[in-house]
Amino acid sequence: DAGVIQSPRHEVTEMGQEVTLRCKPISGHDYLFWYRQTMMRGLELLIYFNNNVPIDDSGMPEDRFSAKMPNASFSTLKIQPSEPRDSAVYFCASSFSPGTYGYTFGSGTRLTVV
Amino acid sequence: AQSVAQPEDQVNVAEGNPLTVKCTYSVSGNPYLFWYVQYPNRGLQFLLKYITGDNLVKGSYGFEAEFNKSQTSFHLKKPSALVSDSALYFCAVRVTGKLIFGQGTTLQVKP
Repeated sequence: DAGVIQSPRHEVTEMGQEVTLRCKPISGHDYLFWYRQTMMRGLELLIYFNNNVPIDDSGMPEDRFSAKMPNASFSTLKIQPSEPRDSAVYFCASSFSPGTYGYTFGSGTRLTVV
Repeated sequence: AQSVAQPEDQVNVAEGNPLTVKCTYSVSGNPYLFWYVQYPNRGLQFLLKYITGDNLVKGSYGFEAEFNKSQTSFHLKKPSALVSDSALYFCAVRVTGKLIFGQGTTLQVKP
């Protein structure tokens, strides 16, 4: 199993540009989570899906952020327009049963907005 | 509010000495608790979990954690630290289908 795959690993973009982060969860996992990690705020849950349906998006910072999961093997997190304060490491994680088995995390996407 | 707290930003220990990384929780009902480790430029990796049963849980890389209901704690321990254990450690608690993570504790093991 290749684990949770995120792309790109690094992204540098200019303020105002659209950024799309991608995630492929582990096959068979029915939960998918997007987290953001910064020094100031630690790990923040942005949104999570169960069976491709968004369950809790209360952590999405503002309307500039959107996430989709069109099928069980793919999810995107989009920022439009991007701002320097969005610079962070974005992690995707998937799980079969989060409360019992925890998560498997991807390696993350390091986003820098200049 | 249901949460988890890691009171120490950093823990320093000499190689070969025992280590403890502290975690306390605040949840309603029976807690499901987890420890994860993050090495530089990597995602978080699962170490161990407490769901029910024995209060002493054993996990990966020789780590263990002790669940203490009366003190609402779930401290991570290892009898003999290695330099390679130096990393960022996160405690987490399940809250309605998702995991809430603490702020993390940096463990520094010096030779």
